Amino acid sequence: DVKVTQSSRYLVKRTGEKVFLECVQDMDHENMFWYRQDPGLGLRLIYFSYDVKMKEKGDIPEGYSVSREKKERFSLILESASTNQTSMYLCASSSLRLAGGYEQYFGPGTRLTVT
Amino acid sequence: KNQVEQSPQSLIILEGKNCTLQCNYTVSPFSNLRWYKQDTGRGPVSLTIMTFSENTKSNGRYTATLDADTKQSSLHITASQLSDSASYICVVSVPLRYALNFGKGTSLLVTP
Repeated sequence: DVKVTQSSRYLVKRTGEKVFLECVQDMDHENMFWYRQDPGLGLRLIYFSYDVKMKEKGDIPEGYSVSREKKERFSLILESASTNQTSMYLCASSSLRLAGGYEQYFGPGTRLTVT
Repeated sequence: KNQVEQSPQSLIILEGKNCTLQCNYTVSPFSNLRWYKQDTGRGPVSLTIMTFSENTKSNGRYTATLDADTKQSSLHITASQLSDSASYICVVSVPLRYALNFGKGTSLLVTP
């Protein structure tokens, strides 16, 4: 079974702090994704990566950056956390370069609260 | 405008009853359509995936249908159980693109 793990289930940070969210997948997938999920808005893509050191902006990249130094690990970075970044963050991975043809496997999510 | 619309937004049913969730999309061209189940506080888990040529797919008590001509899909849950209480998300993908188009989900509550 595919397993996608995220470093924390719950996280509380202060405004202005630098925040790192880590995601690891164990199925050698090429593609990895970061989403945020908010009530009434559904899942929105922040960034994705289709290969090591490669990244593409999603729909809402502002205020975020990512890092993919190893194939199995994809990190989301909030350079200076703000209260409007309080949300559920979901990581996902999928195989093959054409992600549309194959399903994405999601991690359990990290609920981040910025105070 | 969201290209994937789900209805109803929320639904409450009695345990043992059947229900049907709807998904209408305008995404084009179309690659495939997925239904995900998301328990509260957890990540989404895939229930079914259908390509353009498929019009029905089952996974236990879950049956998804697809009408690519009218761009409509439905998810039918038979003999509902308390554990079916979750959010159900319809996701449509486009060929040669990484990004998926997500519906906002239908929140289902199954009561005893």
